[in-house]
Amino acid sequence: AQKVTQAQTEISVVEKEDVTLDCVYETRDTTYYLFWYKQPPSGELVFLIRRNSFDEQNEISGRYSWNFQKSTSSFNFTITASQVVDSAVYFCALSEAGILTGGGNKLTFGTGTQLKVEL
Amino acid sequence: DVKVTQSSRYLVKRTGEKVFLECVQDMDHENMFWYRQDPGLGLRLIYFSYDVKMKEKGDIPEGYSVSREKKERFSLILESASTNQTSMYLCASTSPGPRRGHQPQHFGDGTRLSIL
Repeated sequence: AQKVTQAQTEISVVEKEDVTLDCVYETRDTTYYLFWYKQPPSGELVFLIRRNSFDEQNEISGRYSWNFQKSTSSFNFTITASQVVDSAVYFCALSEAGILTGGGNKLTFGTGTQLKVEL
Repeated sequence: DVKVTQSSRYLVKRTGEKVFLECVQDMDHENMFWYRQDPGLGLRLIYFSYDVKMKEKGDIPEGYSVSREKKERFSLILESASTNQTSMYLCASTSPGPRRGHQPQHFGDGTRLSIL
């Protein structure tokens, strides 16, 4: 069975600090997808990034960057120069391949990391 | 932009009531999902559907049922509400992509349900 572990329950940083959110996953599938979602206080989950198991290139989007390492089964998320607006719960998720026809497979979520960015 | 709309942000019901949570998406997505979110447990899948009138059990289906009579609407039903079903409920939808698992799920704002 697949599993996603986010060991950091809560992280507090001061604005402008860099912060890394850890994500470790387990799966027996050779093809899988990893996601990060942000949940601000309003409640809606906002999609941030998707990565498939064949693409280990790191990705940078503005202040956000992701480090995918299959060797350690990790998909970590770094926010550079954090801002108060980054305060949210962040979820890492793993998608099985081949369960649903055509895509949009069910996600297994980690328990989330609450990030608090203070002035 | 994809819009997933859940009928209520907050709902209070009594033990034993039959409760309906409604979810509508406007992007003609085939796949729809219901999750519940609890502190320390993350999101857990209750049921999902990949077509009209099709449904599959997720990880925690006990005490719930679903209905998908139209493509855009996916309803979650608590047959006889109990206090341990007090939770945040999130609906999501997605479309098939060129490869399985390709597309991200889009979520509604959530319904915070309290069972008294």
